[in-house]
Amino acid sequence: QVQLVQSGAEVKKPGASVKVSCKASGYTFTGYHIHWVRQAPGQGLEWMGWINPNSGATEYARKFQGRVTLTRDTSITTAYMELRTLTSDDTALYYCARLMGDRLDYWGQGTLVTVSS
Amino acid sequence: DIQMTQSPSSLSASVGDRVTITCRASQSISTYLNWYQQKPGKAPKLLIYAASSLQSGVPSRFSGSGSGTDFTLTISSLQPEDFATYYCQQSYSTPHTFGQGTKLAIK
Repeated sequence: QVQLVQSGAEVKKPGASVKVSCKASGYTFTGYHIHWVRQAPGQGLEWMGWINPNSGATEYARKFQGRVTLTRDTSITTAYMELRTLTSDDTALYYCARLMGDRLDYWGQGTLVTVSS
Repeated sequence: DIQMTQSPSSLSASVGDRVTITCRASQSISTYLNWYQQKPGKAPKLLIYAASSLQSGVPSRFSGSGSGTDFTLTISSLQPEDFATYYCQQSYSTPHTFGQGTKLAIK
């Protein structure tokens, strides 16, 4: 069965970076884009970007360009999201999700990133 | 960027009620519209894709319609497990923006 398992919660200081992993299993990792979505506490869903695990091609939401990097390691079927220069506004649950066609059909469980001094 | 606007933002209803949530796009998105359900502490779950296609395993009381800029999600007879927050998302162009969500509560 398709599974996306994300790394555990992180606590970071302002100005630091965080790298969240998303381990895929149960399907051909290189066959489907991975998207990243975040959700601040009590807020809605915010799309961040995507990566093509086959080619490594990426696209980022304008809001995050220059501060986020999506990568992947096909040998271990894992995608990564690194966010730099963290502020308290980056405190959120970060989700990875698989893109099937034009919809996000499987989601990771989410990784809570807390930014606090 | 395409803006997605849902209405209402919150809604109270009873078990057995028929409920409709609307989503409007700031420009035409054809049928590149998905609906997700999110329960507290859980990841979103895909309900409807391509505006009206039911995701495998989702009960048939959920349905979607619309094209262009106006879309609806309908729950024909609310069940206790349907009380959650619902989001629309456009996948016509990046960024794949979400609506602000509609919280469905028990009356």
